[in-house]
Amino acid sequence: GAGVSQSPSNKVTEKGKDVELRCDPISGHTALYWYRQRLGQGLEFLIYFQGNSAPDKSGLPSDRFSAERTGESVSTLTIQRTQQEDSAVYLCASSLVWDRGSGSPLHFGNGTRLTVT
Amino acid sequence: AQSVTQLDSQVPVFEEAPVELRCNYSSSVSVYLFWYVQYPNQGLQLLLKYLSGSTLVESINGFEAEFNKSQTSFHLRKPSVHISDTAEYFCALSLGDKIIFGKGTRLHILP
Repeated sequence: GAGVSQSPSNKVTEKGKDVELRCDPISGHTALYWYRQRLGQGLEFLIYFQGNSAPDKSGLPSDRFSAERTGESVSTLTIQRTQQEDSAVYLCASSLVWDRGSGSPLHFGNGTRLTVT
Repeated sequence: AQSVTQLDSQVPVFEEAPVELRCNYSSSVSVYLFWYVQYPNQGLQLLLKYLSGSTLVESINGFEAEFNKSQTSFHLRKPSVHISDTAEYFCALSLGDKIIFGKGTRLHILP
């Protein structure tokens, strides 16, 4: 079955350029997360979408980062005026509606490896 | 603030030996705890989870983890590792809808 799909898988960009990363969640999954994984580091929470609720943007590192999601489908993460420290793997994950009794697992995509030169 | 600490960034262990990957958490409220695994060239996937009830939880491939509230730990163990267990292991906790991950522990299986 289809899993979480992310594109592009690799992106090399020049410092100062804008980039857009895309995530297609599993159909029916209302929750969508973006994480960043820098080399040798753990997963850093960026943003969380749940249905039509206001997204939790508390993890976005600066105002150069923004994300959108249309309904319960595709999400895009945009990084404006990229810096070298933005180089990382950006991971998207989706899950069913969070049910504290079941602990719906996150289903991760394979990530987008971003390199800013 | 809530956090997850994985004390070891890398753990080398001989094949068929036991292993323990350590995870400690900090939270003032009840949390749910998870271990995720990332095999080489694959995405992260859930290994096991603790929500409530029995403090010892098991995965289908022989790993187990024990929730210890007094020590705020959720260490992952396996009595005998196999080369196929080579992967990076991430401990995570949930705070409502937000899920926080540790920095990961890379498990190296030595022949």
